[in-house]
Amino acid sequence: QQQVKQSPQSLIVQKGGIPIINCAYENTAFDYFPWYQQFPGKGPALLIAIRPDVSEKKEGRFTISFNKSAKQFSLHIMDSQPGDSATYFCAASSAGTASKLTFGTGTRLQVTL
Amino acid sequence: DVKVTQSSRYLVKRTGEKVFLECVQDMDHENMFWYRQDPGLGLRLIYFSYDVKMKEKGDIPEGYSVSREKKERFSLILESASTNQTSMYLCASGAQGAPPLRGYTFGSGTRLTVV
Repeated sequence: QQQVKQSPQSLIVQKGGIPIINCAYENTAFDYFPWYQQFPGKGPALLIAIRPDVSEKKEGRFTISFNKSAKQFSLHIMDSQPGDSATYFCAASSAGTASKLTFGTGTRLQVTL
Repeated sequence: DVKVTQSSRYLVKRTGEKVFLECVQDMDHENMFWYRQDPGLGLRLIYFSYDVKMKEKGDIPEGYSVSREKKERFSLILESASTNQTSMYLCASGAQGAPPLRGYTFGSGTRLTVV
C-alpha cells in the first residue's frame, strides 16, 4: 500500500525550465511534508519542507505548493540548472514516536543544456 | 561535518549468510532508521529506533532484525540473506521531536548484493 504517491517517475527538462513533481497522500494525520534530493552515490538530503497550515513555501529556486483539501503537494524548481539533475523524493509524517517518514517512489530529473 | 556513517559502501554475500550492516551517527540523535531503496519503489522503512534498546517495526521488517545497544549505533541484521534482499540500504538519524524540523540525515548507503 503506497501511502504517498509520486509522479512522474522521470522528467527531462531544458535548462531554465520549471519541472514540477507531484505527490498525493491519503493519511489525513500527516502534518509534515518534506522533499529530499538525492545525487548518485549519496544519501537523500532534505531540500525543503512544509506544514499544512500554509499553501506555499519558497526557498531559493525551490517552491512547495500544498493543497490540503485535495491532499496533494508539489515541488517546483524555478530556472532549473544541470546541477539540479538528481532524484527527488516527497515524504510525509505525522506527530508521534520518531516522526517516521513515509516516502514516495521518487522522480529522476534530468536537466539538459 | 557530519554525521551518519555506514560501515560498508558495497557488500557481496552468499545466500543463507548472516549479514550485519552497521550505522554510526555523531549528532547525538535519539531516532535512527533503516530504509531500503529499490528502483520504482522509493525508500521503504524496515525498522526504526527512538531510544537505546528500543525498536519498532517499519513497513517491511520480514527477514530483518535490528540492534541498538548504544545511542550512536544502529545495526541492521539479515538473519539469513536471500537474493530478494539485494538492495541499497540507507541508514538515517533524526533529533527527537515532531516534526523533525531539520529532517533526517542519511548515510551514503550500503549496496548489498546477495548471490
